[in-house]
Amino acid sequence: QSVLTQPPSASGTPGQRVTISCSGDSSNIGTNTVNWYQQLPGTAPKVLIHSNNQRPSGVPDRFSGSKSGTSASLAISGLQSEDEADYYCAAWDDSLNGRVFGGGTKLTVL
Amino acid sequence: EVQLVQSGVEVKKPGESLRISCKGSGYSFSTHWIAWVRQTPGKGLEWMGVIHPGDADTRYSPSFQGQVTISADKSISTAYLQWTSLKASDTAMYYCARQDGDYEDFWGQGTLVTVSS
Repeated sequence: QSVLTQPPSASGTPGQRVTISCSGDSSNIGTNTVNWYQQLPGTAPKVLIHSNNQRPSGVPDRFSGSKSGTSASLAISGLQSEDEADYYCAAWDDSLNGRVFGGGTKLTVL
Repeated sequence: EVQLVQSGVEVKKPGESLRISCKGSGYSFSTHWIAWVRQTPGKGLEWMGVIHPGDADTRYSPSFQGQVTISADKSISTAYLQWTSLKASDTAMYYCARQDGDYEDFWGQGTLVTVSS
């Protein structure tokens, strides 16, 4: 069981907007910034969003992140077939003194 | 171009020792923390620990403290993850990743470790 809680699956049709939630507590999301990683099948994770809402260069602006209290969300607008992947949230946990991840959300583009 | 290149697939028996590696290039290896992350089908991504190659400062997740050893040789820009006695439960994909501030910005391609009798 992961420290951060994500829905195991999400889906949408091309062009739609989907959101993926990530819930934590005061020792992780409530105190520290949240990152989101995309893992395409058979590849290593890649950072999509860092510091709650910052996109590294090269990440399309269809991807956005937000945080409120002890929860965070990843939004993907204009869904495309190549967005089909696993998505993970992560944050530093002050109690565990380490990085914690969500269990991952498998996004299916219908 | 920043790259982290990991060593290849490993197949081991329970009780054997193992060291896998992660070689950095395209940046100053000594100035960024390197993290190790385990991925298993059942437990997703798990942060194992991190090392600063510049001074060898190392931190472990409580779940992995005493189970593995993280080290680095800055002279050859390489970080290591080591086991002295593998168990079947160590079967997983292992990733190294460079930390830039509060996130992992570049990841290695992963090393698949299979432990089976």
